[in-house]
Formats: sequence, structure tokens, C-alpha cells
Amino acid sequence: KAGVTQTPRYLIKTRGQQVTLSCSPISGHRSVSWYQQTPGQGLQFLFEYFSETQRNKGNFPGRFSGRQFSNSRSEMNVSTLELGDSALYLCASNLAPGLAVGGRGQETQYFGPGTRLLVL
Amino acid sequence: KNQVEQSPQSLIILEGKNCTLQCNYTVSPFSNLRWYKQDTGRGPVSLTIMTFSENTKSNGRYTATLDADTKQSSLHITASQLSDSASYICVVSGDDYKLSFGAGTTVTVRA
Repeated sequence: KAGVTQTPRYLIKTRGQQVTLSCSPISGHRSVSWYQQTPGQGLQFLFEYFSETQRNKGNFPGRFSGRQFSNSRSEMNVSTLELGDSALYLCASNLAPGLAVGGRGQETQYFGPGTRLLVL
Repeated sequence: KNQVEQSPQSLIILEGKNCTLQCNYTVSPFSNLRWYKQDTGRGPVSLTIMTFSENTKSNGRYTATLDADTKQSSLHITASQLSDSASYICVVSGDDYKLSFGAGTTVTVRA
């Protein structure tokens, strides 16, 4: 079974631009969550989608948005890019929702390789 | 203040040696604790998941322990290999369905 795929893997943008990142979850997984990882802040939760609906959201400004399609693929968009948005953006998929914000059981969360975004 | 503190920040060990990573948390109430391994340039991979009632869990040469009373967890790597060089991240889930991430410990294994 193919793993979580993310495109593009690397991206360079300038301040003020907008960017769209894509994530395809593992086949059969309907929940997709997004994270931002920076050396200073570590991993931070952005949002989680399940069945095309945003289920949970982290503490990020409205410039960060996302959506999920009927085939469970997800995109996240960052508008008006700032230098501080430079980071590794990770997507993770799981069978059921809620894991991104603390599943009670022992469900495994599967991460993609990430998209490394550099804002100049 | 981060609710999950990992130590040390980084460590270097010789191939074949053992090492132990620490994770202290203040998340309460507690649901479960996970250890992830993240290779450079890759996404995290789940190593172990422990709930409140579990004290220890192994995954090959990786053994995680949990003391829910003192809110401490450790990840022990036995007979380290060069492929163990990575960042190890501790993630704690609270009962409020929130995830708290540690900053990670960077392990470098040298031949």
C-alpha cells in the first residue's frame, strides 16, 4: 500500500505570495491532518480534515487554510507569505478522525515526507 | 510554557552503545504518549504508543517506559546502529484531545 505523498517536496516563494500544498493520504484513510515544523517551535498542529470537513484547528492565523476533497486528498493554502512561514509542512493520515488532536486509542498516525517551504 | 520537555537536546553515541532519552510532561489529564523517530528530510515515524495503564512497550531495539505518576517517559535505544541517527519526538495526548509536542532529541550515532 502506498504511503502518504506530498507535493511539491520543495518550494521557494517570496514574501506576500501565496502557496498551495497537496497531500494524498494512504488509500482508505479518510482523515488528514497538517503540521508545521520549524527548528525553533518544533511540530505544531495546523488543522485536521475528515470527510471534507475541518474537524479541528490549531492556533494559526487565518492566512492558513485547507480543504479536503471527496477522494480524501487534501490541500493547504498559505496566503500573504511571511518570512516566518518558512518551515517543513507535514501531512499525516489515519483511518479515523481525532488522532491529530489526541486519539484515545492506539491508532498509528502516518506522516508524509513533508514539503519544505522557504520564503525569501 | 511547553507541556512536554525532552532531554537531552542532542547526544552523540558510539555505534553499539545504548542510550536513553527522557520526556517529562505536565499534560493532565493524560490519554496517551507516543514516541516518533524522524530521519533528516523525512516525516516522523511512530515507534511506540502507550496509554495510562502501560509501563513499558518495545519495538525492536527501542523500549519506551512510562511512569504516569511522575509524568515521565523514557526511550531506550539498545545496541545503537548508524541508522538510529535521527530526531526522536515525544508527543503527549491529553484527555481534551489536544496534542502536545516535545522539541525532540537529536541522536547522532558514530562508527
